[in-house]
Amino acid sequence: DIQMTQSPSTLSASVGDRVTITCRASQSISSWVAWYQQKPGKAPNLLIFKASTLESGVPSRFSGSGSGTEFTLTISSLQPDDFATYYCQQYNSNSGTFGQGTKVEIK
Amino acid sequence: EVQLVESGGGLVKPGGSLRLSCAASGFTFSTYSMNWVRQAPGKGLEWVSSISSSSTYTYYGDSVKGRFTISRDNAKNSLYLQMNSLRAEDTAVYYCARVLERRIVGALSSWGQGTLVTVSS
Repeated sequence: DIQMTQSPSTLSASVGDRVTITCRASQSISSWVAWYQQKPGKAPNLLIFKASTLESGVPSRFSGSGSGTEFTLTISSLQPDDFATYYCQQYNSNSGTFGQGTKVEIK
Repeated sequence: EVQLVESGGGLVKPGGSLRLSCAASGFTFSTYSMNWVRQAPGKGLEWVSSISSSSTYTYYGDSVKGRFTISRDNAKNSLYLQMNSLRAEDTAVYYCARVLERRIVGALSSWGQGTLVTVSS
């Protein structure tokens, strides 16, 4: 099975900061990666699919990049609404493994 | 507007069974693959299972393979998860979700609110 290793597990940042979260796949997965945001008590919300395609309605400060085994989610200027937990997911194989999550906290 | 509403969660004893349902509306259910994803209390997301639009293909995570069965009824716009031989580690909120792209396992663009399953004696 393909494993997704996400880092860091926690990130402390301030409003306006540029934030980067990384996911590494245990084998090449082309560009079949999605990124989600989840707030406490709520279902996840899709931000990015196919590694770099922004889901409709998602602010342009979110961007994704990478292919093969290394992927990043970048928030160009952190906003108060962005403090949440972020997950990557691979869907190259017939499974949909998630990363462990990154909690973005207020510094 | 896409709506997914899960039901069927509750308290069950170890070794017991439970059937979750997900009622879909606001889109042509029969043309989309569907997934189940779970989240244990205070933990991360875990992909559970996927089913293709016509039920031809089904896939499962290793932790539930042989115990859980995903199915759907396109006439009723409904998705199901039959869970047998339940264990304490199956305790989680279970979400149904719709796949965005024309893939069976894919990015999940719409999610239900989740239903809590608690496995405890």
